[in-house]
Amino acid sequence: GAVVSQHPSRVICKSGTSVKIECRSLDFQATTMFWYRQFPKQSLMLMATSNEGSKATYEQGVEKDKFLINHASLTLSTLTVTSAHPEDSSFYICSASQGGAGEKLFFGSGTQLSVL
Amino acid sequence: GDSVTQMEGPVTLSEEAFLTINCTYTATGYPSLFWYVQYPGEGLQLLLKATKADDKGSNKGFEATYRKETTSFHLEKGSVQVSDSAVYFCALSDWYGGATNKLIFGTGTLLAVQP
Repeated sequence: GAVVSQHPSRVICKSGTSVKIECRSLDFQATTMFWYRQFPKQSLMLMATSNEGSKATYEQGVEKDKFLINHASLTLSTLTVTSAHPEDSSFYICSASQGGAGEKLFFGSGTQLSVL
Repeated sequence: GDSVTQMEGPVTLSEEAFLTINCTYTATGYPSLFWYVQYPGEGLQLLLKATKADDKGSNKGFEATYRKETTSFHLEKGSVQVSDSAVYFCALSDWYGGATNKLIFGTGTLLAVQP
């Protein structure tokens, strides 16, 4: 099946620094990518939907200026957590779509962010 | 809004035991329902799906039936193996505003199968 590569898998950073997470579709072109976050014992929550070449659509309650999403090409989307704080510590996961949802969504392996 | 509730884990079973992971949902429309599995160190993978009431999704010995009357989509397997140890996510997909088709996930249930 299709492969989505997400890096890094784990990152520890100091409070106030910025962290960039990359999501690449390795063998297909993804017109749409999704970014999720998950707190312990909670659901995977959709943060934003990004379409190649246009601005991301953020879910209610997600700060656009804190979570910068760039989808510059059909195979790469990045999530930058700016001025990270301990409350941003979470598991972030991306998915890439070949069109439609569910059966044509392919997920990265996730990034565990810990902000000290 | 739409939501998915699934049983908390971890679920610990012996090999060849029967597995049930409960999942219920609330939705305003007629969603499609999915089970995803995440093996250690890997991304989520689609395990099975059902797109309408009474549909049964099945794959790798796992089954789930879309029950509209009970708003449920419980995952079952008759005889689990150690290799089934993973996190299982129940999810629904619905149309929102006619423009976005996105997934709503449950919390995930960790399954640990012991030899």
